[in-house]
Amino acid sequence: DVKVTQSSRYLVKRTGEKVFLECVQDMDHENMFWYRQDPGLGLRLIYFSYDVKMKEKGDIPEGYSVSREKKERFSLILESASTNQTSMYLCASSLPVDSGNTIYFGEGSWLTVV
Amino acid sequence: AQKVTQAQTEISVVEKEDVTLDCVYETRDTTYYLFWYKQPPSGELVFLIRRNSFDEQNEISGRYSWNFQKSTSSFNFTITASQVVDSAVYFCALKTTSGTYKYIFGTGTRLKVLA
Repeated sequence: DVKVTQSSRYLVKRTGEKVFLECVQDMDHENMFWYRQDPGLGLRLIYFSYDVKMKEKGDIPEGYSVSREKKERFSLILESASTNQTSMYLCASSLPVDSGNTIYFGEGSWLTVV
Repeated sequence: AQKVTQAQTEISVVEKEDVTLDCVYETRDTTYYLFWYKQPPSGELVFLIRRNSFDEQNEISGRYSWNFQKSTSSFNFTITASQVVDSAVYFCALKTTSGTYKYIFGTGTRLKVLA
């Protein structure tokens, strides 16, 4: 079974703090994703990575950065957290996307910025 | 443009009722893939099914069934004899092969199954 693990399920951070959300997958998938989920807005893609050190901006990259130093690990970074970044964050991974491969999600990280 | 529409924001049914969740998609590509995911209150999106555009056979898995109709650009999901454990948010998604890495998700349908 594919396993995508997000290190923190629930976080509370203060405005202006630097926040790291970590994600690890164990299926040797090339691709990894970070999504944000908000009520009524569905899932919005923040960043996508198709290889180590390679990344593409998604639909809402502003205020976020990512790091992929190893194939299995993809980190989402909030350089200076703001209250409008309070949300649920979902990490996912997949085999190459060209063939419409299934993406598998982690359990999600609920972030509250106060 | 590519788009997935789940017009039903929330549905409530009584246990043992059948329920159908609608998904309508838009794409100009001839090759594409459709998915359904279930998101229980715990938060994880659980993969349910993947279907490619060349396979219009309906699929049944236990109490779950999917009806794919290219003529109406729909990929509907039916739960037969619903149970309380089916309560969740269900997402439909589209992936084309036109060079984009993006999976297009609908906004989800919240299903509440009442005992």
